[in-house]
Amino acid sequence: DSGVTQTPKHLITATGQRVTLRCSPRSGDLSVYWYQQSLDQGLQFLIQYYNGEERAKGNILERFSAQQFPDLHSELNLSSLELGDSALYFCASSGYGGQGRTDTQYFGPGTRLTVL
Amino acid sequence: DQQVKQNSPSLSVQEGRISILNCDYTNSMFDYFLWYKKYPAEGPTFLISISSIKDKNEDGRFTVFLNKSAKHLSLHIVPSQPGDSAVYFCAASATGAGSYQLTFGKGTKLSVIP
Repeated sequence: DSGVTQTPKHLITATGQRVTLRCSPRSGDLSVYWYQQSLDQGLQFLIQYYNGEERAKGNILERFSAQQFPDLHSELNLSSLELGDSALYFCASSGYGGQGRTDTQYFGPGTRLTVL
Repeated sequence: DQQVKQNSPSLSVQEGRISILNCDYTNSMFDYFLWYKKYPAEGPTFLISISSIKDKNEDGRFTVFLNKSAKHLSLHIVPSQPGDSAVYFCAASATGAGSYQLTFGKGTKLSVIP
């Protein structure tokens, strides 16, 4: 158990809908990262938050957004869903991720999103 | 453009022997490297890491070697056990450049045969 929790574990929805994925980092970790794993693309970085502020953006679509709350949990919002958004979405957390220190990311169990 | 490559999609090894998983990278800004193990329907589990100031790091049965000039790293598992059967991902970040996001390889599926 990494200490990172994600809910829900599975999500099935229809095209055009909007969903919210939730992540709680390990106790004391300030950084949260979101990754997408699809069959053909492997694990791709989406976005990083550090202590409530957006720190880095990767291959995140404009239809997707995220935020990190004062209690450091994070939510990833996916809207106008398309069939191609079906994937595993992982959240990871690390202690620092922004202070010039090497930092290990610990991953949650993931949310499997299926868009029908 | 794949910046982290794991050229072997799969590897089979006899129990008790050494497993060697390889990873190549192209981005010279990468300075922190990690190996993760992943079972189906679970998140990646951190195994071992190495900073670019070192060329070897060891943790129990797991050793990671880094060859900066060749932009190559490898994970050695000795002795291999059936429970090691999983997909192994190599990942890298450019911490010194202020980038903490991980760039992953596509993984190598290790099968340890009893």
